[in-house]
Formats: sequence, C-alpha cells, structure tokens
Amino acid sequence: AQSVTQLGSHVSVSEGALVLLRCNYSSSVPPYLFWYVQYPNQGLQLLLKYTSAATLVKGINGFEAEFKKSETSFHLTKPSAHMSDAAEYFCAVRRSQGNLIFGKGTKLSVKP
Amino acid sequence: EPEVTQTPSHQVTQMGQEVILRCVPISNHLYFYWYRQILGQKVEFLVSFYNNEISEKSEIFDDQFSVERPDGSNFTLKIRSTKLEDSAMYFCASSEARLNTEAFFGQGTRLTVV
Repeated sequence: AQSVTQLGSHVSVSEGALVLLRCNYSSSVPPYLFWYVQYPNQGLQLLLKYTSAATLVKGINGFEAEFKKSETSFHLTKPSAHMSDAAEYFCAVRRSQGNLIFGKGTKLSVKP
Repeated sequence: EPEVTQTPSHQVTQMGQEVILRCVPISNHLYFYWYRQILGQKVEFLVSFYNNEISEKSEIFDDQFSVERPDGSNFTLKIRSTKLEDSAMYFCASSEARLNTEAFFGQGTRLTVV
C-alpha cells in the first residue's frame, strides 16, 4: 500500500531563512508525488509535482522538491522564507486508482 | 484560469437531515473526486468517479453517501442522514487523467452538523 509520512506537524522559521519540510513515501511502484499548500480557510493549491521526468522539481512561489529514491523522500525546500509562505503544506502520493493519499500536513509559521 | 467551483461554501444542517454538496469540475476533466478534512486532521479520500460510475471508494464512503453527475457539468455528494461526525470540510477535485496529472481542488464546503 502506498503512503506518505510528513515529519513535523509544525515548523517555524524566521523570514529569510531556509524552509525545509520533510516527506517520506512508501510505494511498491514508481510514485507520482505532489505537494499542496492550504492557506487558512482555503482549498488545496498545487505547489509542484513529481511524475518521473526529473528528480529536482521546481514549483510555484520559489519552492522546489527533490525526489530521492534511495531515501524514499520528497522534501520541500525554499531558500528564503517569506511571511506569505505561512500555511499548511501537504505531501501526497497518487495511487494507481487515481486518488491521492495525503500526509498529515505540516503547518509552517514564519517569524518576522 | 479554469477552476473547480463548489457550493455552498458553508452549510449548517441538523443531525439526521440530508445535504447535497455541489461541485462544478473543470470542463475537459474526466476524473472526479471527493475528499474530506475533519478539523485539524489530514485530508481523506472518499470516492472517485469516472465514466459515470464510482471507480473507487474508501471505507468512509458508506451507504449514507452517494455521488451523482446529474448533467454534463455538476458533480454532487449527497449525505443522506447526517451525523455529528460528518462535520468537516469537503473538497471536490478533478483531473484530466488518472495518474500523471495533478488534481485540481475546489475551495471546499464547510459542513457543520448540529
């Protein structure tokens, strides 16, 4: 069965600092992986996706993620945090049936 | 930019009542989904729909739930007899293909059962 695990339910960084949100996956087949962001009281917005074309994936708002098969990881990074990045971030793996399995989410706080 | 739209944004209902949550997926998409998010918890898959029938459902999607695509644009989730524990944010999503494309999510309907 496929699954994702997000380490850290809350991450706090200072404005301008590196953002690192961790995601590990479990999958017996090559996975399709996604990061979504949810701002307060809003829906889920796609940040980026990995569909086996390139291991380093660039997304919106300066975020990127690197697929590492040896570590079964797909961590999300951003070199310099901005106040507007404060939100909840969800890692997800797409099952062969098409639906997404989400991690528990990581709430990112950005301090001025 | 095309988007998935959901109505209503908020719904308050009494326990035992039926509710219908509505979604308009992106027009050229073929795969449709409902997910829910109980407050403070992760997003959970409910059901997927393709070619006018359910393609998969989770164990959450029991007999009180049903989905329908009554016309060429709407996709609805009906909860027949709501329970307090059905209170959650319900998200509709759609995608062009089953696997290597992203799912686009609506803004959600917050359902409160009292």
